Amino acid sequence: QKEVEQDPGPLSVPEGAIVSLNCTYSNSAFQYFMWYRQYSRKGPELLMYTYSSGNKEDGRFTAQVDKSSKYISLFIRDSQPSDSATYLCATMAGTALIFGKGTTLSVSS
Amino acid sequence: SQTIHQWPATLVQPVGSPLSLECTVEGTSNPNLYWYRQAAGRGLQLLFYSVGIGQISSEVPQNLSASRPQDRQFILSSKKLLLSDSGFYLCAWSGVAGGDEQFFGPGTRLTVL
Repeated sequence: QKEVEQDPGPLSVPEGAIVSLNCTYSNSAFQYFMWYRQYSRKGPELLMYTYSSGNKEDGRFTAQVDKSSKYISLFIRDSQPSDSATYLCATMAGTALIFGKGTTLSVSS
Repeated sequence: SQTIHQWPATLVQPVGSPLSLECTVEGTSNPNLYWYRQAAGRGLQLLFYSVGIGQISSEVPQNLSASRPQDRQFILSSKKLLLSDSGFYLCAWSGVAGGDEQFFGPGTRLTVL
C-alpha cells in the first residue's frame, strides 16, 4: 500500500465553486501534513501546514486532518481561475516528505 | 527573507553525457537540503537529503549523486546520463527542527535524448 494516496483527477469546476481535495495516508504515526500548489512547469508552493488533527484556515483555504480515519482535505472557497493548478498533499516521515501524486484542478470563468 | 535558486532552468543532454545541477539558498543558515525528481505520472520522489556540509543521504539507488560543498549549496550530478534520468528536478530546503516546512526552488527540467 502506498503511503499517501491522492486522486489525480482532473477536477473541473466553475468559478465560485467550493472545491474539496482529499488524500489518505497509511501510517498512523504521521503527524505533520502539508498542501502544496504547483503551477505548470513551476516548483511546488507551500499552501497549508498542519500538525496533528483539526482544521486550519487561511483566507479561502481550509486544511483539515482527521487522524482517526487517516484522511486529509483541502477546501477552497469561492474558487478562482487562478486556482487552476495541481495540488499535492504531503506528510513528513522523518526528514523526508512523502507526497501524493497530485490532483489537477481547473477552474473555468 | 529566504530564497532558493536553481540552475539551469532547462537542460537537454545526450545519453551518456555528464550532469551538474546546482541549488543555492539565501537568507538562512544550516538548512536541510533536498533533491527531488518529479516524473510524469509518478509524483515527487526524494533522491537525496543533506543535514550539513558533506553529509548526504541517498533515498534510492540510481545513476545520480549529490554533494554539499558549502552550507547553502547543493549539487546533483551524474557521470553518464540515462534516458530514464529525464524529469523535473526540484531542490528544497527546510529549517533544522523536525516538522519544519519544506520550500521548493523553481526546478530544472532535464530532457535526456
